[in-house]
Amino acid sequence: DQQVKQNSPSLSVQEGRISILNCDYTNSMFDYFLWYKKYPAEGPTFLISISSIKDKNEDGRFTVFLNKSAKHLSLHIVPSQPGDSAVYFCAASGSGSARQLTFGSGTQLTVLP
Amino acid sequence: SAVISQKPSRDICQRGTSLTIQCQVDSQVTMMFWYRQQPGQSLTLIATANQGSEATYESGFVIDKFPISRPNLTFSTLTVSNMSPEDSSIYLCSVEELAGVGETQYFGPGTRLLVL
Repeated sequence: DQQVKQNSPSLSVQEGRISILNCDYTNSMFDYFLWYKKYPAEGPTFLISISSIKDKNEDGRFTVFLNKSAKHLSLHIVPSQPGDSAVYFCAASGSGSARQLTFGSGTQLTVLP
Repeated sequence: SAVISQKPSRDICQRGTSLTIQCQVDSQVTMMFWYRQQPGQSLTLIATANQGSEATYESGFVIDKFPISRPNLTFSTLTVSNMSPEDSSIYLCSVEELAGVGETQYFGPGTRLLVL
C-alpha cells in the first residue's frame, strides 16, 4: 500500500519554463512534507518542506503547495534550469514517534536547453 | 546542515559474505536513520538508530540481517549480513535536524552495493 504516490515517472520541460511536480498521499496522519532532489551516484538533497498548517512555502525558485483536503502537494520550479535535471522525491512524515519519512517513487525531471 | 560521509562509497561482494557500512556525521545528532534504495525503486526505511538504545526496525527488516551499531552521537554502522543478489542496492544513512518549518532529514552520499 503506497502511502505517498508520484504518478508521473518522468517530466520534460523547456529551460526557463515552469516545472510542476505532483505528489499525492493517503495517510491523514502525515503533517509534514518534504521535497528532495537526487542526482545519480549522490544522496538525496533536501530542497524545501511544508507543514500541514500552511498551504504554501516559497524558497527562491522553489515553491511547494499543499492541498490538505485533496491530500495533494506540488513542487513548482520557476524558471527551470538545466541543472535542475534530477530525480525529485516527495516525502511525508507524522509527528512524535512517527517522524520516519515515507517516500514517493520519484519523478525524473529533464530540463531541455 | 550536518555534513555526512559514508564508507565505502561502493563495493562488489560475493554471495554469503557480509559488509559493514559506516556513517560519520560532523556534529552530534540524536536520531540517525538507515535507508535502502533498490534499483529503480524509492527509498525504504530499514531502521532508526538512536544512541544508547537498540535500533528500531521497520516491517520486513530484522536485526539478524541488518545489525546496526550506534556507539556515539556522531557515528553509526549498518551491516548487511549473509548477502544475496537481492541485497544489491544503494544504502543511505540520514540524520535529523531542525531546519525551516520542522525536523528535516539530511542524507549521506550513499553506499552502492552489488552482490554477485
